[in-house]
Amino acid sequence: DTGVSQDPRHKITKRGQNVTFRCDPISEHNRLYWYRQTLGQGPEFLTYFQNEAQLEKSRLLSDRFSAERPKGSFSTLEIQRTEQGDSAMYLCASSRDGLQETQYFGPGTRLLVL
Amino acid sequence: GENVEQHPSTLSVQEGDSAVIKCTYSDSASNYFPWYKQELGKRPQLIIDIRSNVGEKKDQRIAVTLNKTAKHFSLHITETQPEDSAVYFCAAVDNYGQNFVFGPGTRLSVLP
Repeated sequence: DTGVSQDPRHKITKRGQNVTFRCDPISEHNRLYWYRQTLGQGPEFLTYFQNEAQLEKSRLLSDRFSAERPKGSFSTLEIQRTEQGDSAMYLCASSRDGLQETQYFGPGTRLLVL
Repeated sequence: GENVEQHPSTLSVQEGDSAVIKCTYSDSASNYFPWYKQELGKRPQLIIDIRSNVGEKKDQRIAVTLNKTAKHFSLHITETQPEDSAVYFCAAVDNYGQNFVFGPGTRLSVLP
């Protein structure tokens, strides 16, 4: 499968714990995006990388959230001190570098904070 | 920043009928408008997109129209089939592809 992959697909954690998600983009894609999707809503932009550089962050990304893409390939999204409001689907997408390039989504990581 | 509205939020049609979903956007700098289909428990998948230099694009039973003056674009599905049932999201993207704003989605149900 040469599409975007995410791991784990599901995560259940207790409030206050830290969690980390991984995204592997399509290999030739320079851009990588993280989104959060709650039930009945469209994906909400969280952050975006071009290669290893994190170029933009949404105001939704509080200081408990951090994302990295150390070698410009896979990316990780960490949530510290999770809260029940963090429960959502976390989607990763990747695209080629350029104007108006299509984003291809991964299957998502569904997080449930108890 | 960009704001994308989408209507209706739910839509039920009989198999074989047409379905139309409309989106409006606020930022005149947006010039790329993709549509994604998301089936239950699955990832969003691109079904069609349109760029600001064209007014209409068609791919078999799916078409998208764009009115840049009025800042709205629509998805048209003809001869609907039960497998078209899903949530459809529109999005508006700025010229650099960095500002990707999605609408809230439309749940389409095609009744046999």
